[in-house]
Amino acid sequence: AQTVTQSQPEMSVQEAETVTLSCTYDTSESNYYLFWYKQPPSRQMILVIRQEAYKQQNATENRFSVNFQKAAKSFSLKISDSQLGDTAMYFCAFLFSGSARQLTFGSGTQLTVLP
Amino acid sequence: EAGVTQSPTHLIKTRGQQATLRCSPISGHTSVYWYQQALGLGLQFLLWYDEGEERNRGNFPPRFSGRQFPNYSSELNVNALELEDSALYLCASSFGQIGGELFFGEGSRLTVL
Repeated sequence: AQTVTQSQPEMSVQEAETVTLSCTYDTSESNYYLFWYKQPPSRQMILVIRQEAYKQQNATENRFSVNFQKAAKSFSLKISDSQLGDTAMYFCAFLFSGSARQLTFGSGTQLTVLP
Repeated sequence: EAGVTQSPTHLIKTRGQQATLRCSPISGHTSVYWYQQALGLGLQFLLWYDEGEERNRGNFPPRFSGRQFPNYSSELNVNALELEDSALYLCASSFGQIGGELFFGEGSRLTVL
């Protein structure tokens, strides 16, 4: 079974600064996908960034980038130029590329961006 | 374009009753997923439907069930409600391709008294 661990329950960052959220996972599979989702107070989960395990290049989406270390089973999220709207709960998630389509989520990191 | 819609937004039930939650996916999406987000337990996978069939279910008792209709909308039923069923139930939809983005609704908050 796959497990996803987010060791930082809460983090804060000053507006315009950079912050990194940690995520580690455990799997014996070689083909999988990793995601970061954010859940603002409105409750709607929104995809932030996605990484395919077979791609060595780290994914980037505007101010959001990941540091994917496959051997270390680490998948951290870096948010640059933090904005007040980035305040949310951030979930790391793992998906095995088999047929089950079962996303496994970490416990989440509550990020607060301070003005 | 309308996103994933869920109803009701809030639902209050008592122990032993049944709850029905509904989900309308984004137009064109054939897969619907249900997740339970209980306080302190994170998001737990409940069910996956695709093309009207149940494709996978998580580690939940049989009193959690559902179905997907021909128009791809979905219903989650929880029978014999227990206090620990109190949670936010999130529905998501996708085109069904492996590794694709899931689009989530805002959830239905179920409270069991």
